[in-house]
Amino acid sequence: QKEVEQNSGPLSVPEGAIASLNCTYSDRVSQSFFWYRQYSGKSPELIMSIYSNGDKEDGRFTAQLNKASQYVSLLIRDSQPSDSATYLCAVNTLGAQKLVFGQGTRLTINP
Amino acid sequence: DAEITQSPRHKITETGRQVTLACHQTWNHNNMFWYRQDLGHGLRLIHYSYGVQDTNKGEVSDGYSVSRSNTEDLPLTLESAASSQTSVYFCASSPGLAANNEQFFGPGTRLTVL
Repeated sequence: QKEVEQNSGPLSVPEGAIASLNCTYSDRVSQSFFWYRQYSGKSPELIMSIYSNGDKEDGRFTAQLNKASQYVSLLIRDSQPSDSATYLCAVNTLGAQKLVFGQGTRLTINP
Repeated sequence: DAEITQSPRHKITETGRQVTLACHQTWNHNNMFWYRQDLGHGLRLIHYSYGVQDTNKGEVSDGYSVSRSNTEDLPLTLESAASSQTSVYFCASSPGLAANNEQFFGPGTRLTVL
């Protein structure tokens, strides 16, 4: 079992709809969770971090964390074509300072 | 503004040659990381450092080495380049604080080994 798993997609969402990206992780002592966005040919860019159970909102983005289910998600409201990218989930384990990345989900927003 | 840079941005080399990729950050971060990214494999950790004189192997360290002589730089050396090392290489850094492990990435180096 991979440490961090994401559906590779592609996930296709119409413009203006909500895009929902999911990530599961295997290490129960994982402590910090991050979502990165990566445009084609560019480097990963941090868009959200979440450390405790529940929801965290930042503009059109909401990160959701459920440690009991070992599940973290990213919701993008009012999706725009500029949101089309690969989204990487990353997890940090308690006591370590390196991140484990999922394979990424490719998201396409259709005008 | 503080930043993280990589050089060169593109490199073509021949099998067997030694290649060094540079990574420089001005955030004064303790932690620095090297990843490679290939289709179907996502980001894979090559080497990392938690401070000056500290280096550690990641999951795909064979054929690569790093050294950390100051806080700002973590050069990645391919001792004898192989075609399997054709990839996009990303350097990243993080503050190294217990409560904050956010990593920030450089622009990447595209390496082609012929």
